[in-house]
Amino acid sequence: DAGVIQSPRHEVTEMGQEVTLRCKPISGHNSLFWYRQTMMRGLELLIYFNNNVPIDDSGMPEDRFSAKMPNASFSTLKIQPSEPRDSAVYFCASNPGDRTSDEQYFGPGTRLTVT
Amino acid sequence: SQELEQSPQSLIVQEGKNLTINCTSSKTLYGLYWYKQKYGEGLIFLMMLQKGGEEKSHEKITAKLDEKKQQSSLHITASQPSHAGIYLCGADKTGANKLVFGAGTILRVKS
Repeated sequence: DAGVIQSPRHEVTEMGQEVTLRCKPISGHNSLFWYRQTMMRGLELLIYFNNNVPIDDSGMPEDRFSAKMPNASFSTLKIQPSEPRDSAVYFCASNPGDRTSDEQYFGPGTRLTVT
Repeated sequence: SQELEQSPQSLIVQEGKNLTINCTSSKTLYGLYWYKQKYGEGLIFLMMLQKGGEEKSHEKITAKLDEKKQQSSLHITASQPSHAGIYLCGADKTGANKLVFGAGTILRVKS
């Protein structure tokens, strides 16, 4: 398996623009997690899905952030409008979701820079 | 996350030396995860501890969870340059596989 796939790997955009980050979880995994990592706040959980349904979005910082999972093999995290303080590395992770494995498998991340 | 305290924040050791990284929670945990991250890359799972007093080893890395399930230590024996990176502890506080992470420990190994 190719592991969790994220795109793009790097994104540079101007303040006010819409940004869409993409994630393809490992095939067969039912849980998907979006994290954000910054120097100041470390690694934070933003939202997670189980069977394509958002279970907990309490970590989403503002209404400018939204996440969707239209099917089991694809999820997006959208920021509209983007701000410089959104600059961070965004990770997607997946897990079987059936307690056969407690490990969360992380993607390589998307490094977002908002100027 | 202030819910998990990691120490030290950073560590420089001579190759071949042993080292220990600690992770402490103020609350009992359902599970404690250790991950390693290299700069610019994702997190690599090391091991997960769930039972009080549990200890697991993988190659030269050993992790322990105390009886109260509030503190864990990660011990590396005979460190090598390949061990360099950021070590993060993550805690499952609800049993729902929703993790909060410590701030991380930066490890550098001098040859």
